[in-house]
Amino acid sequence: AQTVTQSQPEMSVQEAETVTLSCTYDTSENNYYLFWYKQPPSRQMILVIRQEAYKQQNATENRFSVNFQKAAKSFSLKISDSQLGDTAMYFCAFMKPHSSNTGKLIFGQGTTLQVKP
Amino acid sequence: EADIYQTPRYLVIGTGKKITLECSQTMGHDKMYWYQQDPGMELHLIHYSYGVNSTEKGDLSSESTVSRIRTEHFPLTLESARPSHTSQYLCASSGRTGKPYEQYFGPGTRLTVT
Repeated sequence: AQTVTQSQPEMSVQEAETVTLSCTYDTSENNYYLFWYKQPPSRQMILVIRQEAYKQQNATENRFSVNFQKAAKSFSLKISDSQLGDTAMYFCAFMKPHSSNTGKLIFGQGTTLQVKP
Repeated sequence: EADIYQTPRYLVIGTGKKITLECSQTMGHDKMYWYQQDPGMELHLIHYSYGVNSTEKGDLSSESTVSRIRTEHFPLTLESARPSHTSQYLCASSGRTGKPYEQYFGPGTRLTVT
């Protein structure tokens, strides 16, 4: 069975600085998808960034980028120029390829990020 | 903001009551999901649907039931609420519109059973 592990329950960063959130996963699949979702306090969860396992190039979305290490089964999220609005709980998630039709996600435990002014 | 809605946002109810949590989306998505999330914890999939008249149980066993009679509507029902059902319930949808494989989440229903 696939598992997703986020070993940092809480992190904090000063505004405008860079922070990296860690995620590791376990799977025997070769093709799959990885995601980072953001859940702000009392607000809806939204997708931050997505990575396809068959792509070697790391995904980027504005200030958000990932470091995808397939052999190490590691998928970290880097947030550059942190803003107060980045304060949220961040979830790493995994999708098996044959789940692409169902969209079933497996979530990690989450990391609470606090951006300090 | 995604066009997916959940009502009520908060519900406090006594043990033994029947409750229905509503979820609706206006994006025409064929797939819909229910997740259970305890405070500060990960999400666990409890139900999902591929489309109308299609429902499946998720990875986490749940005493709740769901129905999908209309594409846009995916209600979750607890026939007899218990304190162990106290949690947050998140509804999500995905489909051919929007980014591939992206799930759009509702605001959640925070349920407390006393």
